[in-house]
Parts: sequence; C-alpha cells; structure tokens
Amino acid sequence: AQSVAQPEDQVKVAEGNPLTVKCTYSVSGNPYLFWYVQYPNRGLQFLLKYITGDNLVKGSYGFEAEFNKSQTSFHLKKPSALVSDSALYFCAPGPRGEGNKLTFGGGTRVLVKP
Amino acid sequence: SQTIHQWPATLVQPVGSPLSLECTVEGTSNPNLYWYRQAAGRGLQLLFYSVGIGQISSEVPQNLSASRPQDRQFILSSKKLLLSDSGFYLCAWRGGTLDEQFFGPGTRLTVL
Repeated sequence: AQSVAQPEDQVKVAEGNPLTVKCTYSVSGNPYLFWYVQYPNRGLQFLLKYITGDNLVKGSYGFEAEFNKSQTSFHLKKPSALVSDSALYFCAPGPRGEGNKLTFGGGTRVLVKP
Repeated sequence: SQTIHQWPATLVQPVGSPLSLECTVEGTSNPNLYWYRQAAGRGLQLLFYSVGIGQISSEVPQNLSASRPQDRQFILSSKKLLLSDSGFYLCAWRGGTLDEQFFGPGTRLTVL
C-alpha cells in the first residue's frame, strides 16, 4: 500500500519570500512523484514530476521540487512566492505500473500575502 | 492537443435519485481514465480507473459504479444517491508516453 503525508494544512508566506510545501511518501519500489495545484472550483493542474534522474526537478510557474530517497520526501519549493500562487497544493506518489494509480495527500493550502 | 470534458458542471439531486456523470477525452487514443472524489476542498479519493474499454477497477466499495462504453468515454453512475455522495467529482486521463494525469474541470454534486 502507498501513502502520502502533507503535514501542514496551511502555509502562509509574504509575497517575495521563499515558499516550501512539504511532502513525505511511502511507496514500494521506486516511485513516480507528482505535484498538482488546484484553484477554487477548478480541476487539478500538473506542476511537476520526478520519474528518474536528477533529484531536483523544475516545473511550471517557477516551482521546483527535490526528491530525497533517504528521507522519502518530495518537498515543493519556489524561491519567490507570488500572490497568484495562493491555491491548494497536492503531492501524489504512485507506483510504476498498476494503472499508474496516484495516492493524493490531503493537500496544503498556500496563502501568499501581499 | 488533448482536452478532457466533464458534464454537467454542477448537479443538485435528491437522496435516492439516480446519477450519471460523463467524462470524455479528445485528442488521444486508449487513455487510462480515472474517477476521483474530493470532499470539502481537500484530498482526492480514487474511485475507479480503467485501462481500456470495458475494463474497470474499483478502488473503494461504495454506492457508485463506473463504465467505459467507448475508448474515450468514462461514466460514473449510481442507482440511488446518498447524502454522503455529495462532493466534487474529477475525471482524469493519462496516455501515450506521459506519466502524469490530466484532470477535467470537475462536477460539483450536491445531494439533498
């Protein structure tokens, strides 16, 4: 069975400050790892993924994430947050194969204050 | 390019009534298709997924069923809705060489 934890329900940062959204996971074998963002009453938008290779992956809108196998973490980061980054963020690990099913965390609400 | 559609966008149904939500994908062939439910704007729960026509895997036993009558069509159904079926239903697809899933705009279901 796979699981994911996003330990913070909400993260508040000031615009221009760095943003980190934490995620730890438990997946058998080598996982696929994804981050998605959701704006109010909308579907999820794909941000970035780790499949293999470089542990630091870069994605959309200036976001990046670092895969840490020993700590089983995949934290999402942005060097300088924007007010428009305020949204709900989901980490989702998945096993390779098995229909590529993803397990979503409970989400972290990010609030970027002007 | 690929697009995914869901309808209706919103739905209000009485308890005990039937349900049919539809999801269609354009611009790809033989996609994996997924139904998720999101309660109260938080985490997503995978309900069903399909790797081909007529192939449905159920992740959580409950009051819902899914069908895939055509390659790019995925339907979520219920014979009798419960109050607990209220939520935001999201369809997603994955296909080709892509690893990530792409989500539709969702259907907000309120059961009264």
